Amino acid sequence: EAQVTQNPRYLITVTGKKLTVTCSQNMNHEYMSWYRQDPGLGLRQIYYSMNVEVTDKGDVPEGYKVSRKEKRNFPLILESPSPNQTSLYFCASSPLGGPAGNTIYFGEGSWLTVV
Amino acid sequence: AQKVTQAQTEISVVEKEDVTLDCVYETRDTTYYLFWYKQPPSGELVFLIRRNSFDEQNEISGRYSWNFQKSTSSFNFTITASQVVDSAVYFCALSGNTNAGKSTFGDGTTLTVKP
Repeated sequence: EAQVTQNPRYLITVTGKKLTVTCSQNMNHEYMSWYRQDPGLGLRQIYYSMNVEVTDKGDVPEGYKVSRKEKRNFPLILESPSPNQTSLYFCASSPLGGPAGNTIYFGEGSWLTVV
Repeated sequence: AQKVTQAQTEISVVEKEDVTLDCVYETRDTTYYLFWYKQPPSGELVFLIRRNSFDEQNEISGRYSWNFQKSTSSFNFTITASQVVDSAVYFCALSGNTNAGKSTFGDGTTLTVKP
C-alpha cells in the first residue's frame, strides 16, 4: 500500500531535549516536505526536499533541521525544542517536480507537545 | 510571494443545504496549481482536487464542484446537498512553477453540517 509513515504519532517532551520525527515513503517519490499545523494558521511549510541531498527552507524553518540522505526518508530534527514548537506536524511526498503539477501524499500527522 | 486567503473561518449549514467555500489566491507565476484538501475530525489530510492555471474549466465530482476564475483569482468549492460526513476543515493551497517545491495553504474553513 502506498503510504507516508510518520513516527512517533504522539509525543510529549520537555524543553531542550532533542528529538527526531521520522518520515518514510514507499512510493519512490523525489519530493518530500514537512508542514506544521496550528489552530487558525492552516499548514505552514517548514522544509522541503526536491530530491536526495537537496533541501530548502519553507516559510517557518527556524528551530528545525532536516536531512535527505536517501530517497525514502526525510527526518525532522528539533535540536532544542521549545513550547512554541508544540504543533501537529505533517510529512508529505510527491513525484518528481513537487506539488506544482503533482498530487501531494500526506502522512497521518504527528502530535508534538513541548512542556 | 504567494498567498492564499480563505476568508470564511467557519461555516455552519443544515444537512441538504448547498455551501460554497471561497478561496482567493495571489501569485506572480503564470503557471501555477491550485488544490483543495479535506481534513475530517480524525485529522488526516485528504486530497480532493488539483487544477492548473491553464485549465479554467469547472469540474464536478459527485456532490462536489469547483469554480476556477483567473479573472478574480478565485478557486471556489461548492458542496451540493451537504451531508453530516462533509463536516471537516477544508484547505485551499497553491504551488507555482517558479519555486516548485513551495506550497502555500490558506488558513482553512471549518464546515459544520448539522443534521
